Amino acid sequence: QVQLVQSGSELKKPGASVKVSCKASGYSITTYAMNWVRQAPGQGLEWMGWINTNTGNPTYAQGFTGRFVFSLDTSVSTAYLQISSLKAEDTAVYYCARDPFYGFDYWGQGTLVTVSS
Amino acid sequence: QSALTQPASVSGSPGQSITISCTGTSSDIGGYNHVSWYQQHPGKAPQLMIYDVSKWPSGVSNRFSGSKSGNTASLTISGLQAEDEADYYCSSYTSSSTLVFGGGTKLTVL
Repeated sequence: QVQLVQSGSELKKPGASVKVSCKASGYSITTYAMNWVRQAPGQGLEWMGWINTNTGNPTYAQGFTGRFVFSLDTSVSTAYLQISSLKAEDTAVYYCARDPFYGFDYWGQGTLVTVSS
Repeated sequence: QSALTQPASVSGSPGQSITISCTGTSSDIGGYNHVSWYQQHPGKAPQLMIYDVSKWPSGVSNRFSGSKSGNTASLTISGLQAEDEADYYCSSYTSSSTLVFGGGTKLTVL
């Protein structure tokens, strides 16, 4: 069965970096695009962008350029989200989500990133 | 790209039907049939309920239905059940080749 399993919660200090992983199983990761979605505490869903899992080419939404990097390692069927120069306002749950048809049919369980001094 | 507009909350009694609206522009909802709806229970990942305006993913109850008129999409839940109480989000593909979510609607089953 299809699964997206994300890495565990992270507690980071402001200015640090974090790398969240999203391991796909039950299908070939190169078949469908992988998207990233942010949800700040008590807030709604925010689309961060996506990575073309065939070419590795990322596309970032407005507000997610510069400090955010999507990457891929197809040899281990894993997509990554790296955030650098962390700020308190980056505190959120980050989700990866598979996108076969402009709709996200499978989601990771979410990774809570907390930024606090 | 501004978020799509959803009512903050809706409510209904068990067995009733409710509709959640999602308003965008001609650059997103009005221009494409790539509208999706997600259900999210507290502390859980969102679940796809409707895609391409009115299609059901495998395993989703047909009590959930979607439609679109102009720049507004709608999600209707019929035969409301207690387990339908959750947050609901719409999303749409846009003319900028991006995706945008609505602000979310909290459904309360009375």
